[in-house]
Amino acid sequence: SYELTQPPSVSVSPGQTASITCSGDKLGEKYACWYQQKPGQSPVLVIYQNSKRPSGIPERFSGSNSGNTATLTISGTQAMDEADYYCQAWDSSTVVFGGGTKLTVL
Amino acid sequence: EVQLVQSGAEVKKPGESLKISCKGSGYSFTGYWIGWVRQMPGKGLEWMGIIYPADSDTRYSPSFQGQVTISADKSISTAYLQWSSLQASDTAMYYCARPLVSGTAISWGYWGQGTLVTVSS
Repeated sequence: SYELTQPPSVSVSPGQTASITCSGDKLGEKYACWYQQKPGQSPVLVIYQNSKRPSGIPERFSGSNSGNTATLTISGTQAMDEADYYCQAWDSSTVVFGGGTKLTVL
Repeated sequence: EVQLVQSGAEVKKPGESLKISCKGSGYSFTGYWIGWVRQMPGKGLEWMGIIYPADSDTRYSPSFQGQVTISADKSISTAYLQWSSLQASDTAMYYCARPLVSGTAISWGYWGQGTLVTVSS
């Protein structure tokens, strides 16, 4: 079965750029998306089709996908961005989630 | 406004059956897949399966095939997730979700508030 691998944790200082990676076999040939989940809340889609932002998502969130790696980049990270982030792809009629990355803003 | 409203929290005993629901509103219910996602306490998101309400086409994750049943009643714009015999390991938050784009199941742009299922003797 297809697997997506994320680092368990990433730390960033306020105002700096955070990058969260997601690795999978030939992931660049699929569409990747990203979800943000804060404690006690439902996930929120922040990036879809590799690099598109849904309505209402701040411009500081961006995405890319090439080769075997998709990347979520948060520019000018704010304290409110501290959350768990999950990548997700679609493979062989199956939704696949990465294991999640806890972003700490300190 | 698109909304997915899930049924309330449940506390069940091992071996009992359960059916939880997800009611869609603000859009054409039959035009979008509905998916179910499990999140065990302190853990990540796990895809369980999806259903297309227009024709009840259902796809299950291999991990959940045979363990749960996904169904939908398009006449009342509601999708369901059910268990015939719960186990303690089914204790989790369950989310329903709808894709951003009609006819696809790639990016899930709308989520329900979650239903907490607790299974304990």
